Amino acid sequence: DGGITQSPKYLFRKEGQNVTLSCEQNLNHDAMYWYRQDPGQGLRLIYYSQIVNDFQKGDIAEGYSVSREKKESFPLTVTSAQKNPTAFYLCASSTPGEAKYTGELFFGEGSRLTVL
Amino acid sequence: GNSVTQMEGPVTLSEEAFLTINCTYTATGYPSLFWYVQYPGEGLQLLLKATKADDKGSNKGFEATYRKETTSFHLEKGSVQVSDSAVYFCALSDIQGAQKLVFGQGTRLTINP
Repeated sequence: DGGITQSPKYLFRKEGQNVTLSCEQNLNHDAMYWYRQDPGQGLRLIYYSQIVNDFQKGDIAEGYSVSREKKESFPLTVTSAQKNPTAFYLCASSTPGEAKYTGELFFGEGSRLTVL
Repeated sequence: GNSVTQMEGPVTLSEEAFLTINCTYTATGYPSLFWYVQYPGEGLQLLLKATKADDKGSNKGFEATYRKETTSFHLEKGSVQVSDSAVYFCALSDIQGAQKLVFGQGTRLTINP
């Protein structure tokens, strides 16, 4: 079945360590996104990518980095510069042609990062 | 900039009660509007959408009407079930950007049997 796979589902990190969250999609979507979810704050956009080898900062990009070397993959690295990294991270994808009119995003099941 | 404001939660109802979750927005131009639902431990799923003024989106017994005059997109359901317990997010499309969505803060709904 087509979909978006995020891994790991749960991740624990010590302060000062970088961690990378994986996001893979087999929907053949061009655009991919990373959102951060905190209680009572909804979803906030970290980074997004419309095509391979190109990505743009979202609203809260500081302390994060991404790459888009393949259409199917959009990993997110949470660096030690991120001051408050404990959160639920959601990856999503869309097809620009459809999204221009529908705006529908397809989400993975999320990765919960806890900093110890 | 564009923004979405949702009804404060959490909301707790009894089964078969009528549900309304308020959503208002601020945007330039004519964005599309969406309701997404997040069941426990899962990612978000699109529940319904409306792309122009006076459109009504509907799915699984839920409805919402795009009201440009009041900049609102309230979610309603006539008779809720325990299985509707979830977090509901209102969102709008960022017409200036690359299919970016702006989300409200979410409303947690709990339905008791």
